[in-house]
Amino acid sequence: QQPVQSPQAVILREGEDAVINCSSSKALYSVHWYRQKHGEAPVFLMILLKGGEQKGHEKISASFNEKKQQSSLYLTASQLSYSGTYFCGTETGGGNKLTFGTGTQLKVEL
Amino acid sequence: DTEVTQTPKHLVMGMTNKKSLKCEQHMGHRAMYWYKQKAKKPPELMFVYSYEKLSINESVPSRFSPECPNSSLLNLHLHALQPEDSALYLCASSQNEQGTYNEQFFGPGTRLTVL
Repeated sequence: QQPVQSPQAVILREGEDAVINCSSSKALYSVHWYRQKHGEAPVFLMILLKGGEQKGHEKISASFNEKKQQSSLYLTASQLSYSGTYFCGTETGGGNKLTFGTGTQLKVEL
Repeated sequence: DTEVTQTPKHLVMGMTNKKSLKCEQHMGHRAMYWYKQKAKKPPELMFVYSYEKLSINESVPSRFSPECPNSSLLNLHLHALQPEDSALYLCASSQNEQGTYNEQFFGPGTRLTVL
């Protein structure tokens, strides 16, 4: 079953912060976060592993609650370039199988 | 080189045609993926190749046939497609080694239209 993201959509003024949540019904091995702009490929933002390791871009932070099977992506001091659709991708075991979440459309305005 | 390339960018085909999508990466990655993405939906995994062997097939209809000729190349052969197969087809790759994070790098996609 597909992970559920919230909110579905959000509009920010430049400089504002946002939190995007990803919730799974299954135990997770890892959570990936990607941003996709219209007509473009998804771009890697962050990966969080069971056990606490993580890797990602400097200006992006995220958390992973293994017990609740949830992850949150924190966007601070948003810029116009942050606009796009954010997807979480979850792995429930090894084997490279990523299931993408429902997506969150984020728009940053002046 | 940190890029995944895909050709063609756009493809229009009839239901009786045979065509192929191509994907290439030169990052030394040992896992390659095909995803299908419909408008305003998340990417859906179709196939995974790990060390040039098919490791995951997500019950994809046989009119889609993947091929991995070597560690840098991934093809998707298309035959007798249906209009509902029209979508953006994304290729991705990842390191696939123990001890690495295994994030996926995506190509720009092929926009496929089936008439």
